[in-house]
Amino acid sequence: DTAVSQTPKYLVTQMGNDKSIKCEQNLGHDTMYWYKQDSKKFLKIMFSYNNKELIINETVPNRFSPKSPDKAHLNLHINSLELGDSAVYFCASSQTTGLTFTGELFFGEGSRLTVL
Amino acid sequence: GQQVMQIPQYQHVQEGEDFTTYCNSSTTLSNIQWYKQRPGGHPVFLIQLVKSGEVKKQKRLTFQFGEAKKNSSLHITATQTTDVGTYFCAGPEYGGATNKLIFGTGTLLAVQP
Repeated sequence: DTAVSQTPKYLVTQMGNDKSIKCEQNLGHDTMYWYKQDSKKFLKIMFSYNNKELIINETVPNRFSPKSPDKAHLNLHINSLELGDSAVYFCASSQTTGLTFTGELFFGEGSRLTVL
Repeated sequence: GQQVMQIPQYQHVQEGEDFTTYCNSSTTLSNIQWYKQRPGGHPVFLIQLVKSGEVKKQKRLTFQFGEAKKNSSLHITATQTTDVGTYFCAGPEYGGATNKLIFGTGTLLAVQP
């Protein structure tokens, strides 16, 4: 069983469209994240949810809206896609005690988004 | 803001040669983690160091946390083609109030057989 799974793996779409990426973890972790990896391989955190509550919201355009229906799921919806949104988006999860990070991140396989 | 830089950005070695990547943070870190990302893959956790001056080994990999807890290194002895990938260090945001992990810029290792 895949610990952190994301769908879809690949997304090719036109500028201006809206798209969603879904993520699920079966590790029983209480914290989930979205990271963006650009073409230079820089990994940058976008959002983090702890038990369905948004706790990290980086300087990300409000076209990006995360949603966590429960602590095992974290989705990312992107409106009005732009060329610069092309990247690999990684979902990750971890076990956190309170809000203090205690363990490693488990990453999903990534969703490669290409905006044409 | 807090920055975590790694050098070199890229290294190409012959199989059997040693490799080292260095990680430097602009702020003191409560702990440091290392991840490996194979080409086309996702980051995978390797190890976490917590104590000042700590050294840990995993087979041919040696990880070190600096005395001031602002830098770290990963050394691979006698590289193999399976070591190919990008190695990232990562540390919690300064202050430790959140679980925000700041990733280093990464070092891409290429190993020629």
